[in-house]
Amino acid sequence: AQTVTQSQPEMSVQEAETVTLSCTYDTSESDYYLFWYKQPPSRQMILVIRQEAYKQQNATENRFSVNFQKAAKSFSLKISDSQLGDAAMYFCAYRSTTSGTYKYIFGTGTRLKVLA
Amino acid sequence: KAGVTQTPRYLIKTRGQQVTLSCSPISGHRSVSWYQQTPGQGLQFLFEYFSETQRNKGNFPGRFSGRQFSNSRSEMNVSTLELGDSALYLCASSLNRGLNEQYFGPGTRLTVT
Repeated sequence: AQTVTQSQPEMSVQEAETVTLSCTYDTSESDYYLFWYKQPPSRQMILVIRQEAYKQQNATENRFSVNFQKAAKSFSLKISDSQLGDAAMYFCAYRSTTSGTYKYIFGTGTRLKVLA
Repeated sequence: KAGVTQTPRYLIKTRGQQVTLSCSPISGHRSVSWYQQTPGQGLQFLFEYFSETQRNKGNFPGRFSGRQFSNSRSEMNVSTLELGDSALYLCASSLNRGLNEQYFGPGTRLTVT
């Protein structure tokens, strides 16, 4: 069974600085998707970035980028030029591409605090 | 398009009672998944519905059940509530199964006393 581990329950970053959130996963599959979701205090979960396992190039969305290391089963999120609005819970998620097993598996989350 | 809506937003129930939560997906979305979120366990997958059929189920007891209607709206039911069922219940919809992105609703906060 697949597992997702986020070893940092809480992180802090100074406004305008860069922070990296860690995520590791375990799977025997070769093809899958990885995601980072953000859950602000208002509770609406939104997708930050996604990575297809078959793509070697790391995904980037504006100030958000990932470092995907498939062999090491590592998927970290880098937030550059941190803003106060980035403060939220961040969840790493894995999704199989095997037909019939599309459910997501989430990590336990990292709470990011942004200091003014 | 309107986002995923969940009703009610907050609910207080007594141990032993049952509860029904509702989720309306984004218009056109046919897949609906349910998750339980607690501080200790994070997000745990409950089940997924597509075309009115349950396609996937997580590791939850049979007290947790759900259904999906022909308009893709979904309900989940929890019978014989226990204190440990207190959680935020999130619904997420996607266009189809498989590779489509999930869009989450705001959740229903259930408190069992």
